[in-house]
Amino acid sequence: DTEVTQTPKHLVMGMTNKKSLKCEQHMGHRAMYWYKQKAKKPPELMFVYSYEKLSINESVPSRFSPECPNSSLLNLHLHALQPEDSALYLCASSQAAVAKNIQYFGAGTRLSVL
Amino acid sequence: GEDVEQSLFLSVREGDSSVINCTYTDSSSTYLYWYKQEPGAGLQLLTYIFSNMDMKQDQRLTVLLNKKDKHLSLRIADTQTGDSAIYFCAERLNSGNTPLVFGKGTRLSVIA
Repeated sequence: DTEVTQTPKHLVMGMTNKKSLKCEQHMGHRAMYWYKQKAKKPPELMFVYSYEKLSINESVPSRFSPECPNSSLLNLHLHALQPEDSALYLCASSQAAVAKNIQYFGAGTRLSVL
Repeated sequence: GEDVEQSLFLSVREGDSSVINCTYTDSSSTYLYWYKQEPGAGLQLLTYIFSNMDMKQDQRLTVLLNKKDKHLSLRIADTQTGDSAIYFCAERLNSGNTPLVFGKGTRLSVIA
């Protein structure tokens, strides 16, 4: 089983709303990732968690707040987003945060900010 | 720094072979991946190769790596309409916690 599950599949929110994206894997992976993908572009790395600790933050604005409550779950809390934050948000996981460990991606959450 | 380049579009007839090309710049030991993305979906890993290999074959997929030219290709034999998607080449250095660097993706259109 190489499944990474993301919820919700679609989310529409206003600029004053607070919402959360969720990601779950049961493969025993200890590294989890958030990516942002705009239309017709490749995914861009946002955050990396390794053993439930934040190890990479790619200069992401503070209106995006990641959380890793345990080794199977990864959340992305959203607050005061802008319309340009509308994108597909992808979660991925790997056995560990090293190159030879394959990253498996979820289906993504398509976010629209009005 | 790392940079991964791909051609943006490829159109083939059903039943023909497709060849999607990718070039990368980093000469360090590295892992190279091919991901497929269908419309509205996440990324599906197709195959990967380590930079000490020349070739890898998996059913209809053949990956060729030319280390001298830093050129990677993905050949899909007997291309089907279900192969229509965007194909991303990605590179990751075999050194510590480095990010996966994606190319811009090649949109493959299969004509019936």
